[in-house]
Amino acid sequence: QVTLRESGPALVKPTQTLTLTCTFSGFSLTINGMSVSWIRQPPGKALEWLARIDWDDDTYYTTSLKTRLTISKDTSKNQVILTMTNMDPVDTATYYCARIRRDGFNRYYFDYWGQGTLVTVSS
Amino acid sequence: QSVLTQPPSASGTPGQRVVISCAGGSSNIGSNIVNWYQQLPGAAPKVVIYSSIKRPSGVTDRFSGSKSGTSASLAISGLQSEDEADYFCATWDDSLRGHVFGTGTKVTVL
Repeated sequence: QVTLRESGPALVKPTQTLTLTCTFSGFSLTINGMSVSWIRQPPGKALEWLARIDWDDDTYYTTSLKTRLTISKDTSKNQVILTMTNMDPVDTATYYCARIRRDGFNRYYFDYWGQGTLVTVSS
Repeated sequence: QSVLTQPPSASGTPGQRVVISCAGGSSNIGSNIVNWYQQLPGAAPKVVIYSSIKRPSGVTDRFSGSKSGTSASLAISGLQSEDEADYFCATWDDSLRGHVFGTGTKVTVL
């Protein structure tokens, strides 16, 4: 059974760095074709994809936040970590991690999601 | 400022058919498959259509997807109260080299 769970601070101050951890089970990020992404959703707004890390350590970032994001993995702990620097109140959102499933070449979809963690940025 | 545009809302009475559109461009929908996610209030998103037309195991066949050119659609037939949710389209963008989501559509069952 595949599960993902996000963890991290519920409240961060402006300019601080946010570190979120996605702990997963039921699959391994060492297997060819596996990937995990981070996605966020401000209250009442749309989903926004943030970053992705593949089994072979390839990483991808949303263009608008690329300079502030770092995604990494610890395969021994079955974890994917996202850091976001210089947090601002507009970064207040529920942050989700999700597994990516491949349905053939260049065909991806998010098949399992964590329950999300709400991060509020306020002084 | 999503690259995929959806109507903000759609509605229908029980039993009706509702269609949600997702408009993109040549570098995203025009070149890649589209996935659709349902988000019930207070819950994480759940995939209801992947690879433009496929339904995951366990998803009702009242959901169907289609794609033509740079647009895609999600149809919900036999609308039920449990279908009341937000729906998001998503795909890969070759120019941005990243995943992109649509602006989202709130479906209301009247």
